[in-house]
Amino acid sequence: GAGVSQTPSNKVTEKGKYVELRCDPISGHTALYWYRQSLGQGPEFLIYFQGTGAADDSGLPNDRFFAVRPEGSVSTLKIQRTERGDSAVYLCASSLTVPSGEQFFGPGTRLTVL
Amino acid sequence: AQTVTQSQPEMSVQEAETVTLSCTYDTSENNYYLFWYKQPPSRQMILVIRQEAYKQQNATENRFSVNFQKAAKSFSLKISDSQLGDTAMYFCAFTQGGSEKLVFGKGMKLTVNP
Repeated sequence: GAGVSQTPSNKVTEKGKYVELRCDPISGHTALYWYRQSLGQGPEFLIYFQGTGAADDSGLPNDRFFAVRPEGSVSTLKIQRTERGDSAVYLCASSLTVPSGEQFFGPGTRLTVL
Repeated sequence: AQTVTQSQPEMSVQEAETVTLSCTYDTSENNYYLFWYKQPPSRQMILVIRQEAYKQQNATENRFSVNFQKAAKSFSLKISDSQLGDTAMYFCAFTQGGSEKLVFGKGMKLTVNP
């Protein structure tokens, strides 16, 4: 498929566990974004990559959250010591151009922390 | 801080009618971009329409058009000839020149009835 893909689509974990969420952007898109969407809210920005580097990580809520994009394509969002408040849909997006090119979103990963 | 406000949590409209979704935003910047995104139950965010703040002309995309009032910091979306497939959550979003992160409103649930 040509769109942004995210795996897994759903993830259930226990409080205190470590999780990894994966995002495959559209081929050729250099910019990649992570957002978090809590129930009944709009998405909130977490981090933005331009190529391999994090250009803006101001939205990461604390040091339990970390994201990488080692080869400038696939990205992984890592959450350590998960808490129940981390339960949300995690959305990934990519764009071809900056500034403010259209961001194409994936279907998201629904994370549930029990 | 930049904020986006969608004051109507929910609206419904009959098929083929016209509906207007409201959005206001707050920024001290002069260079920014405004967006309307649609999120159907599948969770995938889809860009509906985009407006550059420096453009006075209102953007249009087929049945979708905006009323951009820069001085009032208002950015409403008009959907003409509503279709059942327009049923979704609609999010107003904003990104400021020099920053790639989208700031979203809380969203509005639109239901188109047959």
